[in-house]
Amino acid sequence: DVKVTQSSRYLVKRTGEKVFLECVQDMDHENMFWYRQDPGLGLRLIYFSYDVKMKEKGDIPEGYSVSREKKERFSLILESASTNQTSMYLCASSFDWGQHEQYFGPGTRLTVT
Amino acid sequence: DQQVKQNSPSLSVQEGRISILNCDYTNSMFDYFLWYKKYPAEGPTFLISISSIKDKNEDGRFTVFLNKSAKHLSLHIVPSQPGDSAVYFCAASALYSGGYQKVTFGTGTKLQVIP
Repeated sequence: DVKVTQSSRYLVKRTGEKVFLECVQDMDHENMFWYRQDPGLGLRLIYFSYDVKMKEKGDIPEGYSVSREKKERFSLILESASTNQTSMYLCASSFDWGQHEQYFGPGTRLTVT
Repeated sequence: DQQVKQNSPSLSVQEGRISILNCDYTNSMFDYFLWYKKYPAEGPTFLISISSIKDKNEDGRFTVFLNKSAKHLSLHIVPSQPGDSAVYFCAASALYSGGYQKVTFGTGTKLQVIP
């Protein structure tokens, strides 16, 4: 079974802090994604990566950056956390662009106070 | 601009009856469609998909129908079971100029199956 793990299930940070969310997949998938889920807005794509050190902006990249130094690991960085970044963050991976199905981690509930 | 819309935020169905979840899209470039199921405190899991060249795909109790002219797809669950109670996300995929597939998710429909 594909396993996607996220470093924390719950995280509380203060406004202005730098926040790192880590995601690891164990199936040698090419593509990795970061989404946020908010009530009434569904899942919105923040960034994705299709190869090591390669990244593309999604629909809502403002206030976020990403890092993919190794194939299995994809990090989401909040440079200076703000209260409007309080959300559920979901990491996902997919084998390659020929396979549409994405495998999701359990999510990190981030609260910024 | 919500390109994938699920207009019903919630749906309640009696156990054993049919559940029909609907999804509308606006982007004619979408060429693949997926449904995901999400339980509380878990990430979404893939349920069923359909290519734009088909109009129906079936997997056990789950059937997805695609009406391209209406830009509409639906997920049918027959018979519905209490364990089907979850949030269901519709998703649509399009090929972009960089050679990658970008997936757009809907807002979700919370299904409650009443025993």
